[in-house]
Amino acid sequence: AQSVTQLDSHVSVSEGTPVLLRCNYSSSYSPSLFWYVQHPNKGLQLLLKYTSAATLVKGINGFEAEFKKSETSFHLTKPSAHMSDAAEYFCVVSVSGGYNKLIFGAGTRLAVHP
Amino acid sequence: GAVVSQHPSRVICKSGTSVKIECRSLDFQATTMFWYRQFPKQSLMLMATSNEGSKATYEQGVEKDKFLINHASLTLSTLTVTSAHPEDSSFYICSAGAEYWGYEQYFGPGTRLTVT
Repeated sequence: AQSVTQLDSHVSVSEGTPVLLRCNYSSSYSPSLFWYVQHPNKGLQLLLKYTSAATLVKGINGFEAEFKKSETSFHLTKPSAHMSDAAEYFCVVSVSGGYNKLIFGAGTRLAVHP
Repeated sequence: GAVVSQHPSRVICKSGTSVKIECRSLDFQATTMFWYRQFPKQSLMLMATSNEGSKATYEQGVEKDKFLINHASLTLSTLTVTSAHPEDSSFYICSAGAEYWGYEQYFGPGTRLTVT
C-alpha cells in the first residue's frame, strides 16, 4: 500500500534562509509523487510532481524536490524563503497509472519570520 | 486554464437539514471529479470518485446514503450532505481532471460546512 510520511508538522524559518520540508514515501510500485501548497482559505496548488523522469524536479516559485529511491524520500527545498511562502504543504503519492487515489501526507505548516 | 470552482464557499446549516455543494470545472470538461474532506489542521481524505454519468465510487467508511454525489455533466458535480449533524462540520474540497491532461487533478477552493 502507498503512504507518505511528512516528518515535520511545523517548520519555522527566517526570510531569506533555505527551506527544507521532509517527506518519506512507501510504495510497492514506481510512485508518482507531488507537493501541493495550501494557503489559508485557498485551494490546493500543485508545486511540482515526479513521474519517473528526472529525479530532480523543479517546480513553481523556486521550489524543487529530489526523488531518492534508495532513501524513499522526496524532500522539498527552496534556497531562500519569502514571506509569501508561509502556508501548509502536502506531500502526496499516487498509485501509478490513470486516475488513482491521491494519498496525502499529514501536512507541514511553514512559518516564515522577518 | 484548469480552474475549478466551488459553491458556496461557506455554509451554515441546522442539524437534520441537507446541504448541497457544487463543484464546477470552468474551462475544461472533467471526466472525473473527486471529493475530499479535511478536518481542522489535518490532511485531506478522499471521500469518493465520480465519473460523468455513472455512480460514484466511495471510499471505505464513507456513508454513501449520507454523502450523495451526482456527476450529471462534464463540468458539474454535486455533493449533498443529508441529515447533517455537527460531526459533519468540515472543509470539503473537490478536484477535477481529464485524461487528456494526463490525469492531473485540479482542486477547488473548498467549502466550509458548519452544522449547528
